[in-house]
Amino acid sequence: DAKTTQPNSMESNEEEPVHLPCNHSTISGTDYIHWYRQLPSQGPEYVIHGLTSNVNNRMASLAIAEDRKSSTLILHRATLRDAAVYYCILRGYSGNTPLVFGKGTRLSVIA
Amino acid sequence: ETGVTQSPTHLIKTRGQQVTLRCSSQSGHNTVSWYQQALGQGPQFIFQYYREEENGRGNFPPRFSGLQFPNYSSELNVNALELDDSALYLCASSRQGENEKLFFGSGTQLSVL
Repeated sequence: DAKTTQPNSMESNEEEPVHLPCNHSTISGTDYIHWYRQLPSQGPEYVIHGLTSNVNNRMASLAIAEDRKSSTLILHRATLRDAAVYYCILRGYSGNTPLVFGKGTRLSVIA
Repeated sequence: ETGVTQSPTHLIKTRGQQVTLRCSSQSGHNTVSWYQQALGQGPQFIFQYYREEENGRGNFPPRFSGLQFPNYSSELNVNALELDDSALYLCASSRQGENEKLFFGSGTQLSVL
């Protein structure tokens, strides 16, 4: 499985934008980039995913580099409820391939 | 939207015992997968079931086994428990298809003494 590299931790002030980086230099052409997050005492939850183009949903935006070797998850206005571990995951194209989690980035949000 | 429930929430067992963990999938989901999460680590894939058949397995020994029932609920069984089996066990359900989202339960925290 292709691997991703994320910073261990990041800190943000409340109501400011947060950019969470992810490097995936060995990504293959059919790998999708998925982001999940895990709030304290909960299971992971889906945030967003994309292939080549930037993606937006109600939770976040995903910016994908043109060469696809890196991506950035953008939280437009961080709230205290966004404090979580964020996982960047590469997932193959076919069927329900399992998620391969790394250690993720622990995001702290300061009031 | 999650709708995935796991039981029990916490469990304490002793080394050598057997344990069964249960998961109720979200309505309409026919695929269930199980993950093990050690403290401070990301979840690790154990196995996946689709239409009551195992259709994918991670690097876990045979003493980890599972079942999926016709109503798509699922069980994870672990035999001959070892101290290193202490972890959070997560169940996730999804529809079958390309890049379907996984919906996770809150997990069962297993402690092996």
